[in-house]
Amino acid sequence: AQKVTQAQTEISVVEKEDVTLDCVYETRDTTYYLFWYKQPPSGELVFLIRRNSFDEQNEISGRYSWNFQKSTSSFNFTITASQVVDSAVYFCARKGNTPLVFGKGTRLSVIA
Amino acid sequence: DAGITQSPRHKVTETGTPVTLRCHQTENHRYMYWYRQDPGHGLRLIHYSYGVKDTDKGEVSDGYSVSRSKTEDFLLTLESATSSQTSVYFCAISDPLAGEKLFFGSGTQLSVL
Repeated sequence: AQKVTQAQTEISVVEKEDVTLDCVYETRDTTYYLFWYKQPPSGELVFLIRRNSFDEQNEISGRYSWNFQKSTSSFNFTITASQVVDSAVYFCARKGNTPLVFGKGTRLSVIA
Repeated sequence: DAGITQSPRHKVTETGTPVTLRCHQTENHRYMYWYRQDPGHGLRLIHYSYGVKDTDKGEVSDGYSVSRSKTEDFLLTLESATSSQTSVYFCAISDPLAGEKLFFGSGTQLSVL
């Protein structure tokens, strides 16, 4: 199986700290998509970003940024100046010729 | 928000009983999926559908069956529920024309006692 690995099970930071969530993926596909989803305590799954394999440009959206490095098969997610509302479980996922495969998630706790 | 409705939202059942979970979409998306979420495992794919009457197995399909007789409905059936099937079940939809992004339902909490 082509796995997605989120090595950090849980991270705890103090508000306003920067935090990076790691994601490493395996794939045999030439074309694939990478995703990040957020699951807040309320339980719903919220789409954050999609990146296709041909686009290695880093992306910034407000306090969120994503670093895609094909050479290391990584798609890391950084939250700058974290806030309590960022507390959630974050999932990285990959889709190639098979349906979306998720990592096991990283639980982020931001403490006031 | 994508129009996806899961029913029921919560269910408690006994071991050995059949259970059917329903996913209904109003987006006319071609693909529909059933995932289960368990602590320490993330989300794992059970079954998916790529069109009416076209379905395929996912990573953890044993003990589950699905049916899709209409574009908008995707049913997940546990023929004889076991305690290991206690989980949160998420339905999702996607369409290649919509950029492969999955939209998720709100989830169904199933407890098998």
